[in-house]
Amino acid sequence: DTAVSQTPKYLVTQMGNDKSIKCEQNLGHDTMYWYKQDSKKFLKIMFSYNNKELIINETVPNRFSPKSPDKAHLNLHINSLELGDSAVYFCASSSRGPTRGSVGQPQHFGDGTRLSIL
Amino acid sequence: ILNVEQSPQSLHVQEGDSTNFTCSFPSSNFYALHWYRWETAKSPEALFVMTLNGDEKKKGRISATLNTKEGYSYLYIKGSQPEDSATYLCAPSGGSYIPTFGRGTSLIVHP
Repeated sequence: DTAVSQTPKYLVTQMGNDKSIKCEQNLGHDTMYWYKQDSKKFLKIMFSYNNKELIINETVPNRFSPKSPDKAHLNLHINSLELGDSAVYFCASSSRGPTRGSVGQPQHFGDGTRLSIL
Repeated sequence: ILNVEQSPQSLHVQEGDSTNFTCSFPSSNFYALHWYRWETAKSPEALFVMTLNGDEKKKGRISATLNTKEGYSYLYIKGSQPEDSATYLCAPSGGSYIPTFGRGTSLIVHP
């Protein structure tokens, strides 16, 4: 049973295209996140959703739009893909957050989606 | 987003060596710190969560300490094994309660 699953695992596409990455968690968590891993393996937070409500949007171009149809899903849609969007994108979830009472809750990560723009 | 620094960036040790690395973060407005272990081609996995100054956590041969007053945490591995090879990430949480990940320490244990 995969706790946090992302699809697809690999995505190769042309510059200018629109694509989506799906994320689902079966842990019953209230909070989900999207991270971008840069070339030096640094995990930078992009979005955080708590119970379908956007909490954090960290200086991400508006070509990136998260969509949360329910609290078990947080999909990432990217419009007009650019070369600089090539990266590995990780989805994660945690049981609570972001509140003071949640900071002790670890995040559970998906296996990542490697996006390559040609 | 907090200013989080991890050192060293990478570390090569021999099997059986003990090792440690550091995570530094702003000491003001601290709430918690997580350590994660990230193996190549896998996803990060939580090791410890630490919240109180002086906290010490242990899991097998791996332990961690926390000093919130001076803003650092140490991760120790006793008797390193090749399977300990991974990147170790720390992620402190500040006022936003969202953890900020450091760039990690890449550990390679040679047999």
